[in-house]
Formats: sequence, structure tokens, C-alpha cells
Amino acid sequence: KAGVTQTPRYLIKTRGQQVTLSCSPISGHRSVSWYQQTPGQGLQFLFEYFSETQRNKGNFPGRFSGRQFSNSRSEMNVSTLELGDSALYLCASSFRVTYEQYFGPGTRLTVT
Amino acid sequence: GENVEQHPSTLSVQEGDSAVIKCTYSDSASNYFPWYKQELGKGPQLIIDIRSNVGEKKDQRIAVTLNKTAKHFSLHITETQPEDSAVYFCAASIEGAQKLVFGQGTRLTINP
Repeated sequence: KAGVTQTPRYLIKTRGQQVTLSCSPISGHRSVSWYQQTPGQGLQFLFEYFSETQRNKGNFPGRFSGRQFSNSRSEMNVSTLELGDSALYLCASSFRVTYEQYFGPGTRLTVT
Repeated sequence: GENVEQHPSTLSVQEGDSAVIKCTYSDSASNYFPWYKQELGKGPQLIIDIRSNVGEKKDQRIAVTLNKTAKHFSLHITETQPEDSAVYFCAASIEGAQKLVFGQGTRLTINP
């Protein structure tokens, strides 16, 4: 069974721009969570979607948003990019909300 | 909210020896504790997890122990091998909430 896939793998953007990252969960998984990983703050939870509904949200500004489609694929968007948004953005999927989370390889975003 | 402390931040052991990584959590409502291994350029890989209704779980050379009273849990790797070298993260959550709170990570190096 294929794992979690994320596209693109690498991205370079300029301050003030916006970006959309994509995540395809493991086949049959309906819950998708997003995390930000930085050297200073570590792994931090952004939000989680299940059946196209956001169930939980972390402590990030409103510039960070996401959505989930009917096929469970998910996107996250960051508007008005800041230098501090440079990070590895990880997506994790699970079969249901009480099951283990499996991570994708991440999208490395660099903001210049 | 939940806070997870992980120690040590770096650990170096000889091949064949054991390695132990410890985590403490603050929220007594947390009841799910996974461990992830992250290799360079990859997303975190789930290696073992434990729920609060058990005190210990083993999977070949890996074991996790949980002390709910003291709010700490530990990862034990026996007979370490060079391929065990990676960054290990502990995490805690309330099962079903899908919001993992991670420790800061332990960089484990196995010396041949």
C-alpha cells in the first residue's frame, strides 16, 4: 500500500506571497493532520481534518488554512508569507480518529 | 495545554549496547503515547506506541514503558545497530483528538 504523498517536495517563495501544499493520504485513510517542523520550535500541530471537516486547530495565525476534499486529499494554504514560515510541513494520515498517524516525507518551504 | 519534555537531546552509544530515551508529559488527560523515528530527509516514522491502559509494550528490540502516576514514558532500544541512528521523537495526545504534542527530539548515534 502506498504511503502518504506530499507535493511539491521543495518550494521557494518570496515574502508576501502565498503557497498551497498538497497531501494525499494512505488509501482508505480519512483523517489528515498537518504539522510544521522547525529547528527552533520542533514539531507543532497545525490542524486536522476528517470527512472534509476541520476537527482541531493548533495555535497558528489565520494566515494558515486548510481544507479536505471528498477523496480525503488535503491542502494547506499559507498567505502573506513571512520569513519565519520557512519550515518542513508534514502531513499525517490515519484510518480513523482513534488510529495511528502515518507521516509523509514533507514539503520543505523556504521563504526569502 | 499539554507539554512534553524529552531527554536527552543527544545520545551516543556503542553498537550492541542499549539506549533509553525518556519523556514526561503534563496533561493527565493524555492517554496515547507514540514514538517516531526520523531519518535525514524523511518524515517521522511510527515505531511503537502505547495507550494508558497498559504499562509496557514490546516489539522485537524496541520497548516502551509508561508510568501514569509519574506522567512519564520511556523508549528502550536493545542490541543497537548502526541503522538505529536517527532522531527520535516522543509524543502525547488524547486519543481521538489527533493532536500530537511532540517532545524536542533525541539525536541517537550508534558508534560501530
